Amino acid sequence: AQSVTQLDSQVPVFEEAPVELRCNYSSSVSVYLFWYVQYPNQGLQLLLKYLSGSTLVKGINGFEAEFNKSQTSFHLRKPSVHISDTAEYFCAVSEYTGNQFYFGTGTSLTVIP
Amino acid sequence: DSGVTQTPKHLITATGQRVTLRCSPRSGDLSVYWYQQSLDQGLQFLIQYYNGEERAKGNILERFSAQQFPDLHSELNLSSLELGDSALYFCASSLGLAGGPSYNEQFFGPGTRLTVL
Repeated sequence: AQSVTQLDSQVPVFEEAPVELRCNYSSSVSVYLFWYVQYPNQGLQLLLKYLSGSTLVKGINGFEAEFNKSQTSFHLRKPSVHISDTAEYFCAVSEYTGNQFYFGTGTSLTVIP
Repeated sequence: DSGVTQTPKHLITATGQRVTLRCSPRSGDLSVYWYQQSLDQGLQFLIQYYNGEERAKGNILERFSAQQFPDLHSELNLSSLELGDSALYFCASSLGLAGGPSYNEQFFGPGTRLTVL
């Protein structure tokens, strides 16, 4: 089974500063990769996904992520955060041949005014 | 709005009881997934159905069961409830099977918050 590691459980950052949320996965096989965001009292919403092709993926709300196969990582970045980005962020992995999503434990991003 | 609906939004019950959570997937989606989100366990995959058939099982307890009906809505049944079952239960849907040619992202419902007293 896959394992997904989000190294930082909490990330505080000042408004307009850049942020990187880290995600590593365990698989040596081909995978699909995702980042989801969960705002307070809401369900999860897809930020971006990597299925194939370019390793730099752009998503909604100015977020982007880079797939690094050799390091089995899929870190999420934003060059300038806003207060509204305060939320829980989840990295997820699905194998090409699998039906299951494996989620990380989440990173709580708090943007400080 | 993801198009996935879940009822009820909140549920408060006592230990030992049984509850049923309901999920309606997005129009056209054939796969339904159930997840449990608690503070200490994070987001845990429970089970997946595709077009009425069970396709994948995760960390689902034997006290829990699910099914997907011909109209594609799904129900998650939780029985002999314990305090530790208190959590947010999410349903998600997707067009097809992960890894297959019709693969799509999962769309999440707003969740059902279960409180066991």
